[in-house]
Amino acid sequence: DQQVKQNSPSLSVQEGRISILNCDYTNSMFDYFLWYKKYPAEGPTFLISISSIKDKNEDGRFTVFLNKSAKHLSLHIVPSQPGDSAVYFCAANGGAQKLVFGQGTRLTINP
Amino acid sequence: DVKVTQSSRYLVKRTGEKVFLECVQDMDHENMFWYRQDPGLGLRLIYFSYDVKMKEKGDIPEGYSVSREKKERFSLILESASTNQTSMYLCASSPRGGSWSYEQYFGPGTRLTVT
Repeated sequence: DQQVKQNSPSLSVQEGRISILNCDYTNSMFDYFLWYKKYPAEGPTFLISISSIKDKNEDGRFTVFLNKSAKHLSLHIVPSQPGDSAVYFCAANGGAQKLVFGQGTRLTINP
Repeated sequence: DVKVTQSSRYLVKRTGEKVFLECVQDMDHENMFWYRQDPGLGLRLIYFSYDVKMKEKGDIPEGYSVSREKKERFSLILESASTNQTSMYLCASSPRGGSWSYEQYFGPGTRLTVT
């Protein structure tokens, strides 16, 4: 029972363009969402988060959008840079300070 | 800077061996977590702990146990390693309480191969 889903295993984007990574969730009790970035042979690192009381949160080149009615969130990266090539995980608060993670999307930025 | 360290980056063990994976964090965090990462499945929670000597099962605890004798250290134990436990194991920690407690800090991971 995958409560957080990232349906695109991979995404390829040209350098300088916008990268859009998508995430869907099924549990309407989730009220806090996070994006993590993971390079090979490293642990995931926190990127950006959003509370359900907001529909947008921005941090530099990264913006997360939340659509509660659709149970959907997305991460926008503008402009995309080669260093953004990584696996991105969406996560939601699973109660009791736990996180529920999606399957991950591998983003490749092409020069 | 938060630092979470794991005892080994790569480990090769034989089927049936008892395996210990160690994790240490230096930020005085109350919460600690063990995950495994497998292709197409994302990160799945094995066990977590809110405090010393406390432990809670995650989504996939079968075949694993944990130990937390000190606040900074959380150990994952594979009682009798099997080939289906070949995976990347990730340890994480977070502070207790508030929305910031959802932000977990991860170690570099241990790539375990069971042959």
